[in-house]
Amino acid sequence: GDSVTQMEGPVTLSEEAFLTINCTYTATGYPSLFWYVQYPGEGLQLLLKATKADDKGSNKGFEATYRKETTSFHLEKGSVQVSDSAVYFCALSLNFGNEKLTFGTGTRLTIIP
Amino acid sequence: EAGVAQSPRYKIIEKRQSVAFWCNPISGHATLYWYQQILGQGPKLLIQFQNNGVVDDSQLPKDRFSAERLKGVDSTLKIQPAKLEDSAVYLCASSLSSGISYEQYFGPGTRLTVT
Repeated sequence: GDSVTQMEGPVTLSEEAFLTINCTYTATGYPSLFWYVQYPGEGLQLLLKATKADDKGSNKGFEATYRKETTSFHLEKGSVQVSDSAVYFCALSLNFGNEKLTFGTGTRLTIIP
Repeated sequence: EAGVAQSPRYKIIEKRQSVAFWCNPISGHATLYWYQQILGQGPKLLIQFQNNGVVDDSQLPKDRFSAERLKGVDSTLKIQPAKLEDSAVYLCASSLSSGISYEQYFGPGTRLTVT
C-alpha cells in the first residue's frame, strides 16, 4: 500500500541553522506530495506542495523538490527561526488534493535561540 | 473566511461510554474528511464525504464508529462503545471538490481521552 516514511525526531537546532527533514514515499501511480505543519495549539496547515516530478514547492523560506528517481520529498530551509518550531508532516495523495492524504509520523522541530 | 470548526476541543470518557464529535466545514466545501491522529503517529483517514455521500470509509471501524453528514454541510462522528485505543485527536478537514485548488483545510481537532 501507499506509505510515507519520515525522518524521526525530535530535531533540535540553533537559530539560523540549516534544516533538512527527510521524507520518502511508496505509492502506486503518480502521487502529489505535501508538507503540512502543526504549530503548538493549532491545526494542521499546508506548508507546500508539488504535483509532479521535479516540481519544487516553496513557502516561508521552506523548499522541497519532488524526486521521482529517489521517491523523496525532503524539506529544507536555509536559516531557521524560533518561530519555525512545530511538528512537520510529509504526506501524499494519489489525486491532487481531493483524495485522502497518507501521512508520515511527523517530525517535531525545536529551534533554540 | 471562517475556518473549519470542531467541538468539543477536549473530551474525557470512560471505556464503553459513547461520544460524539461535531464538525462544520468551510462554507462551500463539498468534501469533508475525518482523520484519527494517535499520539506519535500521523493522521489516518477514517471517512471521506462528498456532499452527503460516503466516498471512502474503508478504514472506519464500523462496529463502533459511525459518521454522517446531514444536508452535505455539518458532520458528526460517533464512537459507541469507546475503547482505550480510541484515545486520539480527531481531525476534521474540508476541501473544494472542483476548481484549481483541492487543498484540505484542517480544524483544530478534538482530543479524546478514554480511561
